[in-house]
Amino acid sequence: EAAVTQSPRNKVTVTGGNVTLSCRQTNSHNYMYWYRQDTGHGLRLIHYSYGAGNLQIGDVPDGYKATRTTQEDFFLLLELASPSQTSLYFCASSERGGARYTQYFGPGTRLLVL
Amino acid sequence: GQQVQQSPASLVLQEGENAELQCNFSSTATQLQWFYQRPGGSLVSLLYNPSGTKHTGRLTSTTVTKERRSSLHISSSQITDSGTYFCAMKAGANTGKLTFGHGTILRVHP
Repeated sequence: EAAVTQSPRNKVTVTGGNVTLSCRQTNSHNYMYWYRQDTGHGLRLIHYSYGAGNLQIGDVPDGYKATRTTQEDFFLLLELASPSQTSLYFCASSERGGARYTQYFGPGTRLLVL
Repeated sequence: GQQVQQSPASLVLQEGENAELQCNFSSTATQLQWFYQRPGGSLVSLLYNPSGTKHTGRLTSTTVTKERRSSLHISSSQITDSGTYFCAMKAGANTGKLTFGHGTILRVHP
């Protein structure tokens, strides 16, 4: 089974702070995704990528940057964090896009912006 | 874009009862998947079911594409089935991303 790890697992920062969330997958999947999960909204896609150096805009990209440095590593950057970005963040990977190919999720990162 | 509605928002059952979760979508789905999230945990894929009926263990999913709906039936529910169930589908013809519903929270009591 694909392994997706995220770090840190918990993060507290202040408004205006810089935050980088890391995700690594070890199954050489092409696609990687960043989601946020909030009560009442389910999962919403922030950014995704289908390979190293590629970036695709998701559904809620404002305030977020992302970078896919290698096949394995996908980073989410919050350069000026705001309280509205307090959320549970999940990274996922899949061999290809769409629902036909299973997405494997990481354990999540809880971010609190004070 | 694709919109996904799930019902009910929450469901409480006694152990051993059956659960029926519904997913309705705004356009003809080409791909649909059900996910499970245990309380406080991550998501795992349960079933890929773009059309027809699929079974795995105590789970049965039926997707009727032309009626834009899918259901997930859990038979003989167990306490460990408690958690949140999401349906998700491909957001469009030329994209690799999924659109998720808001989920159904299931609580199974002894």
